[in-house]
This record gives sequence, structure tokens and C-alpha cells, in this order.
Amino acid sequence: DTGVSQNPRHKITKRGQNVTFRCDPISEHNRLYWYRQTLGQGPEFLTYFQNEAQLEKSRLLSDRFSAERPKGSFSTLEIQRTEQGDSAMYLCASSGTSGRAYEQYFGPGTRLTVT
Amino acid sequence: RKEVEQDPGPFNVPEGATVAFNCTYSNSASQSFFWYRQDCRKEPKLLMSVYSSGNEDGRFTAQLNRASQYISLLIRDSKLSDSATYLCVVIHSGGSYIPTFGRGTSLIVHP
Repeated sequence: DTGVSQNPRHKITKRGQNVTFRCDPISEHNRLYWYRQTLGQGPEFLTYFQNEAQLEKSRLLSDRFSAERPKGSFSTLEIQRTEQGDSAMYLCASSGTSGRAYEQYFGPGTRLTVT
Repeated sequence: RKEVEQDPGPFNVPEGATVAFNCTYSNSASQSFFWYRQDCRKEPKLLMSVYSSGNEDGRFTAQLNRASQYISLLIRDSKLSDSATYLCVVIHSGGSYIPTFGRGTSLIVHP
């Protein structure tokens, strides 16, 4: 399977704990995006990488959130001191640089529940 | 006003019906547009890009109206399997590249 993969698929954590999610994009894609989605809403942009450079970060992203893509391949999203409001589906997507550079392909997501 | 707006629905239609969704956007510098389909508790999947001249893929037709700042998706001969949420995505130019999703329109196709 050469699609986008995300791990873990589900995460239950207690408030105040730190969590880290991983995303492996499609291998030839150099762009990687993180989104958050809650019930009844569309995906909300969090941050975007081109290769290893983090080019955009949502103003909605508090300093408890950090993302890395150290070698321009997989990426991690860390949430520190989780709050109940962080409960959501965290989606990763990737896209390439050809003529269809903006077409994003999503992974299955990591569902976070903060208790 | 939200950057990208969609009627959440649900649109409840019988099999074989034609249904159309609109998606309005507020930033006139928007340059790229897409429709995604999302099934319940699944990830969004790319349905089609929206080109300036309009484009068709089987039973699906997408159109862009820059003057009125909206895109549309037309589904002909609806199938039960078309039941899903349809999300529009808008990307605007101007230095930053932030895809903005609408909240989605729910479609229910019934027998």
C-alpha cells in the first residue's frame, strides 16, 4: 500500500499528558499537511511542510502544538499538556509538485480522546 | 463571513435524481478549487479538481464561477453509494498556501 499512513489510529490520553502522532506520506510527495477535524466540521488546517521546511502554521495552533518533518519524509505532530478540547480526528495529507501539486491525499487519521 | 461556506444539508434525494451543491468563497484571490468526498468516520478522498472551464467525470460535473465566487458540484443519476459528505476546498494565492475546507454538505440517497 503506497498511500498515506498514520499511527496510531486511536489514542486515549488523560488531560495534561503529551501525545505524539506520526504520518508517513506518499513517498514521492514533498508536501505534507496536518489538519484537525471535529464532528460536523470540515478539516481545519494546522500546518504545512514542503520537504523539511515548515512553511505555514495556523494562527489557531497554540504553542502546545508542534510539528516536525526532520528529513523531509515522515512527520510528527506533538501536543503537550493535552486538554479536553484537543479531542478530535487529526488528519495528515500529502501532495506532490507536478501539475497536480495541490491535490491532497489523506491518511486514515488519528482519533484523539482526552479524558 | 466564513472563508468557505457550504449548506450542511442534509440533501435527501431518491436514486436516479440529479442534485447540485454550491460552495461560496470570500477571497477573490483564490486560485485552486477541489471537491472531496468523505464517508462517515473515514478520511476525505479527492473527488475532482475544479477547472476554470468546468470539468466532468462520469456522472459528476464541477463548475467555477469566479464572478460570483462559488463552485458547484452536480451529480446526475444518483446512486445509493453516493451517500456521503461532500467537502469543497479553496486555495488562494498571494504568498501563503493554506487550503481552506468548507464544513461539508451531507447527501443521503434513498431507494
